Amino acid sequence: QPVLTQSSSASASLGSSVKLTCTLSSGHSSYIIAWHQHQPGKAPRFLMKLEGRGSYSKGSGVPDRFSGSSSGADRYLTISNLQSEDEADYYCETWDSNVWVFGGGTKLTVL
Amino acid sequence: VQLVESGGGLVQPGGSLRLSCVASGFTFSDYAMTWVRQAPGKGLEWVSGISGGDDSTYYADSVKGRFTISRDNSENTLFLQMDSLRVEDTAVYHCVKVNVRVRGHLDFWGQGTLVTVSS
Repeated sequence: QPVLTQSSSASASLGSSVKLTCTLSSGHSSYIIAWHQHQPGKAPRFLMKLEGRGSYSKGSGVPDRFSGSSSGADRYLTISNLQSEDEADYYCETWDSNVWVFGGGTKLTVL
Repeated sequence: VQLVESGGGLVQPGGSLRLSCVASGFTFSDYAMTWVRQAPGKGLEWVSGISGGDDSTYYADSVKGRFTISRDNSENTLFLQMDSLRVEDTAVYHCVKVNVRVRGHLDFWGQGTLVTVSS
């Protein structure tokens, strides 16, 4: 089954941009993933589905500041014009024949 | 779309709990559903999934043989029967909708219900 690897933490300044990475394990580089945001005290929220070619489709109400891209086994989530409410944990997720898999999550701090 | 979980609480090791999730705002039987948990201070962990037609069920190795997922499409309700509970099952359990009938990405989350396993 696929394994998803994420950095444990990231930080960026208010108003700047940040690019979070999710890396698929060997043999799974073509897999589609999804990005989810988990703000403290709230239910996690689906942000986007991201394909290996780099095309993505966002969930309802997700701001234009959020975008996705891909390169090989890497899947990226870019947040532009960072806002304080973007401070959250970000998880990538994928699925295989009989399992769903999450990355370990990246804790984003907005400075 | 709305997903409302219930049934969490405090239970002793070895005990049982049954979680429920009532869905609204979409045609429940058209979509697979999953349970995902988050232990205190930890990341998200997929627990179990079930297809829209109720004919296929899936389990993480950590819960296989102890947890049973089911659904009642006539009542728009998802269930998770948890038996032989362990301290390490302590977590917030989220009911999560899948974007398709069988297997696909997760696209809507419930708020979650807290399960605490402790003596």
